[in-house]
Amino acid sequence: QTVVTQEPSCSVSPGGTVTLTCGLSSGSVSTSYYPSWYQQTPGQVPRTLIYSTNTRSSGVPDRISGSILGNKAALTITGAQADDESDYYCVLYMGNGIWVFGGGTKLTVL
Amino acid sequence: EVQLVESGGGLVQPGGSLRLSCAASGFTFSSHWMHWVRQAPGKGLVWVSRINSDGTGTHYADSVKGRFTISRDNAKNTLYLQMNSLRGEDTAVYHCARGGSGRTWGLFDPWGQGTLVTVSS
Repeated sequence: QTVVTQEPSCSVSPGGTVTLTCGLSSGSVSTSYYPSWYQQTPGQVPRTLIYSTNTRSSGVPDRISGSILGNKAALTITGAQADDESDYYCVLYMGNGIWVFGGGTKLTVL
Repeated sequence: EVQLVESGGGLVQPGGSLRLSCAASGFTFSSHWMHWVRQAPGKGLVWVSRINSDGTGTHYADSVKGRFTISRDNAKNTLYLQMNSLRGEDTAVYHCARGGSGRTWGLFDPWGQGTLVTVSS
């Protein structure tokens, strides 16, 4: 079964820019996988950031963006803030009604 | 306000069964696909199952196929997950989420707060 890969952890300085990626154990991610991104802080329900590769959910600031970079989906955060410190999950549509989440990236702002 | 509220979780012995419910309000439930997603304590999100808007199409993760059954009652605006032959690795918070369609394909939003299922003897 194909695994969706994410960096286990990542760090960014306040005000800096960070790119989190979402790949496949075999093959390349394209828009056909409809990548979406979710932010989750401990004890909270996931918050939608990006869907269909690059569409921001309502209320998400434009310093957060989604794209395809090379063979992966990417989530870029510019002007990082303390409250960006969270877990970030991507999910891909594998076809035939199946979705798979990545293992998540723990983002530290320091 | 769009809202999803899960119920039905609890402590169950290995091999036992449980039925989760997800009550929807604030939107036209019968027009949307719905998902179940689970999260084991301290672990990541895992997609479990989805059902199409009229209940005629269902899909499952390999880890639950043959043991779990997703269903819905559009007259009651309620989604269900029947879980049989439960194992320790099924211990998790189970969230329901509204699925997207068309331009919002792949969207999981909103999410319910979740209901905790603990499988232990």
